[in-house]
Amino acid sequence: AQRVTQPEKLLSVFKGAPVELKCNYSYSGSPELFWYVQYSRQRLQLLLRHISRESIKGFTADLNKGETSFHLKKPFAQEEDSAMYYCALRGLGGSYIPTFGRGTSLIVHP
Amino acid sequence: DTGVSQDPRHKITKRGQNVTFRCDPISEHNRLYWYRQTLGQGPEFLTYFQNEAQLEKSRLLSDRFSAERPKGSFSTLEIQRTEQGDSAMYLCASSLIPGQAYGEKLFFGSGTQLSVL
Repeated sequence: AQRVTQPEKLLSVFKGAPVELKCNYSYSGSPELFWYVQYSRQRLQLLLRHISRESIKGFTADLNKGETSFHLKKPFAQEEDSAMYYCALRGLGGSYIPTFGRGTSLIVHP
Repeated sequence: DTGVSQDPRHKITKRGQNVTFRCDPISEHNRLYWYRQTLGQGPEFLTYFQNEAQLEKSRLLSDRFSAERPKGSFSTLEIQRTEQGDSAMYLCASSLIPGQAYGEKLFFGSGTQLSVL
């Protein structure tokens, strides 16, 4: 079975502060990890994926297989980063179906 | 708009009625997913298709739920004898994936909000 845990339902920070949205996963095989984001009144969309090792909108995430984590980080939060963030896992060698966490609401205050 | 479209956006129905939702994926996408989302939760997998073949259904999915994807294009999700617990946002997503390639990117529709009274 595969499981994604996002321990924080809500994260509230001030503009310019660092942000870290936590994601832990459980999967016995080789995982693919993703972060999806949903801005207000928009559809859910991909933010980044671990295989690309990319930085999108200043966000980065590193897959730590030892700690089974894929935390999303940004050094300086902006007001436009306010959104719902979902961590997702796809188990390679398993069902290949993306499993989502419950999401973390990020609010960035001016 | 060439993204994933879902119809209707909202559906209000009485308990016991049947409802059907439609999803039109991005035209060249071969994989189509249905997810359900309730307040405070992330998307929960229901079923998915690769082309016209339904490859997997969630074990949590009641027999009242059925989905089709004729000719590998649009898909429909039907819920028979709706219950109040079926109230949720139903999301459709599509992707283009050759085999089991890495980095599958899901493109989501705006969803259908179902309210069962």
